[in-house]
Amino acid sequence: GAVVSQHPSWVICKSGTSVKIECRSLDFQATTMFWYRQFPKQSLMLMATSNEGSKATYEQGVEKDKFLINHASLTLSTLTVTSAHPEDSSFYICSALVASYNEQFFGPGTRLTVL
Amino acid sequence: AQSVSQHNHHVILSEAASLELGCNYSYGGTVNLFWYVQYPGQHLQLLLKYFSGDPLVKGIKGFEAEFIKSKFSFNLRKPSVQWSDTAEYFCAVNDPGGFKTIFGAGTRLFVKA
Repeated sequence: GAVVSQHPSWVICKSGTSVKIECRSLDFQATTMFWYRQFPKQSLMLMATSNEGSKATYEQGVEKDKFLINHASLTLSTLTVTSAHPEDSSFYICSALVASYNEQFFGPGTRLTVL
Repeated sequence: AQSVSQHNHHVILSEAASLELGCNYSYGGTVNLFWYVQYPGQHLQLLLKYFSGDPLVKGIKGFEAEFIKSKFSFNLRKPSVQWSDTAEYFCAVNDPGGFKTIFGAGTRLFVKA
């Protein structure tokens, strides 16, 4: 099946720094990728839809200037958490869409801890 | 707006017991429905999906789900669970032609050996 990787799998950073998370589709191309945030014991909350070659579409309440998304190629989308604060600590998950099947393939997630 | 409701947050069963996890959605039009599973320490995987046709959908690992349009439900079932089914299960919905997917809160299943 289709494989999606995320890097890093976990990261600890100081408050005020920026962190970049990569999402790659390893054996297929994805024009659309999604970024989710998962709080402990809660569901996945869609943050934004990332489209290759165009601006991301952010969900209501998600700060686009804080969560920068770049989908520069058909196999890579990046999420940069700028000026991270402790409240940004969370589990971030990406998925890549195979549109012909209307099926998303999920990455393993990145655990971000901001001190 | 679309929403997905999963009735049970935690379920504990013994091996060989039958499983049914409830899922209801709120959306006025045609929907695509999904069940995903997240095993401990692993990423989300698709169990099964319903787009159209036979409302009884069979997925991997012996799971099935039934779409009941009149009840806006898509309950997940398995006749006999195994210890290896211990995981978190998410119901999800999107609309045909749109790929934005809304997830339920999840149900944590623990199967006692």
